[in-house]
Amino acid sequence: DTEVTQTPKHLVMGMTNKKSLKCEQHMGHRAMYWYKQKAKKPPELMFVYSYEKLSINESVPSRFSPECPNSSLLNLHLHALQPEDSALYLCASSRQLAASSTDTQYFGPGTRLTVL
Amino acid sequence: GNSVTQMEGPVTLSEEAFLTINCTYTATGYPSLFWYVQYPGEGLQLLLKATKADDKGSNKGFEATYRKETTSFHLEKGSVQVSDSAVYFCALSGTGAQKLVFGQGTRLTINP
Repeated sequence: DTEVTQTPKHLVMGMTNKKSLKCEQHMGHRAMYWYKQKAKKPPELMFVYSYEKLSINESVPSRFSPECPNSSLLNLHLHALQPEDSALYLCASSRQLAASSTDTQYFGPGTRLTVL
Repeated sequence: GNSVTQMEGPVTLSEEAFLTINCTYTATGYPSLFWYVQYPGEGLQLLLKATKADDKGSNKGFEATYRKETTSFHLEKGSVQVSDSAVYFCALSGTGAQKLVFGQGTRLTINP
């Protein structure tokens, strides 16, 4: 089973709202990722968690706040977003093989976010 | 740094045609190479991968061979179907890296 689940599937929020995106995997993977994907573009990496610790932050604005409560869950807290933040937000996970390039990332279906 | 270059789309073919989507890469060391597919309104699905030179990845009739001498990982399928219409991303993962480097994606449309 290589399933990563994400909720909600769609989200519409105003610029003053606070919302959260959720991601879950039960494959025993120890690395989890958030990506942002704009239309007709490849995904852009935002954050990486490795063994529940933040290991990469790609200079993402502080209005995006990631959280990894346990090895199966990954959240992305959203606050005071801008219309240009509207995009598809993808979660991914991988086994986290040490010093290896063979680690494969498995993606969830994404959350389509619209900021009004 | 590492990079991936894909053939520009969109690509439009008739059903049962032969498909090639070119992908070349620049990387140090020994990267792994991947093809992901994204159907409309969905996330990315791993289509196939290869982790060392001369490996051939295959899945659902698609194939790609890791060619270190030409730094290429071209995607091929002998007979495409309407259901293959999607965006295809070539990607690489470098040694010790947690980052996937993606190509720009190729939009494929198959007409009946």
